[in-house]
Amino acid sequence: GNSVTQMEGPVTLSEEAFLTINCTYTATGYPSLFWYVQYPGEGLQLLLKATKADDKGSNKGFEATYRKETTSFHLEKGSVQVSDSAVYFCALQSSGGGADGLTFGKGTHLIIQP
Amino acid sequence: DAGITQSPRHKVTETGTPVTLRCHQTENHRYMYWYRQDPGHGLRLIHYSYGVKDTDKGEVSDGYSVSRSKTEDFLLTLESATSSQTSVYFCATWGGLSYEQYFGPGTRLTVT
Repeated sequence: GNSVTQMEGPVTLSEEAFLTINCTYTATGYPSLFWYVQYPGEGLQLLLKATKADDKGSNKGFEATYRKETTSFHLEKGSVQVSDSAVYFCALQSSGGGADGLTFGKGTHLIIQP
Repeated sequence: DAGITQSPRHKVTETGTPVTLRCHQTENHRYMYWYRQDPGHGLRLIHYSYGVKDTDKGEVSDGYSVSRSKTEDFLLTLESATSSQTSVYFCATWGGLSYEQYFGPGTRLTVT
């Protein structure tokens, strides 16, 4: 079956530091890949996505590239801010379509200190 | 904002009692989902629906049932709540025209 593995936190960084959160996946076919962000007390929001190999998703300074050869979708940001403190989830949607739901990683709690 | 509301937002109940959580959407999305979120597990799919009266089981469906009598409403029922069902429950929808699932604000359920 499908699975997503991501580094578990908490990850603590200073403001303006470089961020990498690793995500690897196991899936058959050609899944779509996502990063969702959850701020305290809220639901999940889509941060970025990539639907085919070598696609780069980007939003709000965050980037991730769909690497089929390494089955990875690592999240990066060049300079983090305190407001980026949240829980980040990597997820995949099977290549058969999204009707049967998303498979999530366990989430990475990111803490940015001023 | 996909117009998803969940009710109640918080609930405390006793072991053995039935509980129903409601998800309401205003986007006319065909697909709806229930997930539970637990520390160390991320989000796991409980049940999903691909249309009115069409539902299927997800990864962790034991102890849960669902119903969808209208496009806009998706109900999750715990027939006899157990402490292991203490969790945060999220509803999500997907319209089928994009790759994005939209999530509701969540319901925090505590079973004592």
